[in-house]
Amino acid sequence: ETGVTQSPTHLIKTRGQQVTLRCSSQSGHNTVSWYQQALGQGPQFIFQYYREEENGRGNFPPRFSGLQFPNYSSELNVNALELDDSALYLCASSPRALGTADTQYFGPGTRLTVL
Amino acid sequence: GESVGLHLPTLSVQEGDNSIINCAYSNSASDYFIWYKQESGKGPQFIIDIRSNMDKRQGQRVTVLLNKTVKHLSLQIAATQPGDSAVYFCAETPYGGATNKLIFGTGTLLAVQP
Repeated sequence: ETGVTQSPTHLIKTRGQQVTLRCSSQSGHNTVSWYQQALGQGPQFIFQYYREEENGRGNFPPRFSGLQFPNYSSELNVNALELDDSALYLCASSPRALGTADTQYFGPGTRLTVL
Repeated sequence: GESVGLHLPTLSVQEGDNSIINCAYSNSASDYFIWYKQESGKGPQFIIDIRSNMDKRQGQRVTVLLNKTVKHLSLQIAATQPGDSAVYFCAETPYGGATNKLIFGTGTLLAVQP
């Protein structure tokens, strides 16, 4: 177990709705990254938060947004859901070492289904 | 749980044999590499990592080899066990970026036959 937790485990929404996914980082980690994993593919980077600020973003539209809180927990918000948003959403935390790549530890994911 | 193995390259081995999983990475500027194991319905689990100033690193039953000349990474698993059955991903992090994002490969499904 990595100590990274996510909620909910599963979620079903309809097209056009909004969703909020939550992540609790491993103790001592101040960086959180979110990834989207479509069925049969590797995870794709959405964005990263470091000390409550967005610290880089992948190729995802603005309707994907996030927050990081003072306790380093995080939220991923997706507006105007589309069918293609159906995927496993993964949160990963890491002990940020500036200028050095470090290991990211993943949570179990939230399976989002958009109907 | 969902199957993450659809349409993935598959490596089938007998229990007790050694497994070698290969990965070609994309960015010659990447300086940090990680192998993850993902079981059905779970998030990726860290196995082993290696930095670009090394060409080999060993863990418990696993060895990672890095060939920067041809941008190739491999994971060797000794005495493969049924519990090793999963999808294996290599991931890279480009050097010097402000964002330590991971870029994942396609993944390989390892099927261990008893």
